[in-house]
Amino acid sequence: DQQVKQNSPSLSVQEGRISILNCDYTNSMFDYFLWYKKYPAEGPTFLISISSIKDKNEDGRFTVFLNKSAKHLSLHIVPSQPGDSAVYFCAAGGSYIPTFGRGTSLIVHP
Amino acid sequence: NAGVMQNPRHLVRRRGQEARLRCSPMKGHSHVYWYRQLPEEGLKFMVYLQKENIIDESGMPKERFSAEFPKEGPSILRIQQVVRGDSAAYFCASSPGSASGNTIYFGEGSWLTVV
Repeated sequence: DQQVKQNSPSLSVQEGRISILNCDYTNSMFDYFLWYKKYPAEGPTFLISISSIKDKNEDGRFTVFLNKSAKHLSLHIVPSQPGDSAVYFCAAGGSYIPTFGRGTSLIVHP
Repeated sequence: NAGVMQNPRHLVRRRGQEARLRCSPMKGHSHVYWYRQLPEEGLKFMVYLQKENIIDESGMPKERFSAEFPKEGPSILRIQQVVRGDSAAYFCASSPGSASGNTIYFGEGSWLTVV
């Protein structure tokens, strides 16, 4: 039973436009959420996180939104760049060891 | 390099052999986590360790797999009598304190191929 779900295996976006990656979780006890970016043959790189006491956290081109009532979070990348093409993993934790989704492969076309 | 260090990056083993994967956490980090990524799947938690203690091994297969994080030296994930299904990328991560409210940082991974 997946506690963290990324329902879109892939997403294709044009350079300069917004990329929106979605993530849903089932365990209401999760209170800390993270996004990682992963290139092939490399380890996941931490991007941005958000605590459950917030509903938005921004870092440069990356913004994470958290909707606790819907148990949903999203990562917005604006503007998208070709170098953003990678697999993005959502993770949920807090008091728990981070549980990861299956990832969404983002392709940004020039 | 102050990041999480894993070695070897690539390891090929024949069925029935042993695989040992090593992980040195980031400087100042005392908590280590091992995750596995099977082909076409996400990151699955295996084990969480502190120095000389296994805190949570709920994700580790009951047989053939073991992990340790000794007082001195790297954390080691050991897989005995490997089978083809063990072929995967194994990622180590570390954090300064417990995972509670902390970000975990990953190494580059060790790719195990069982032939």
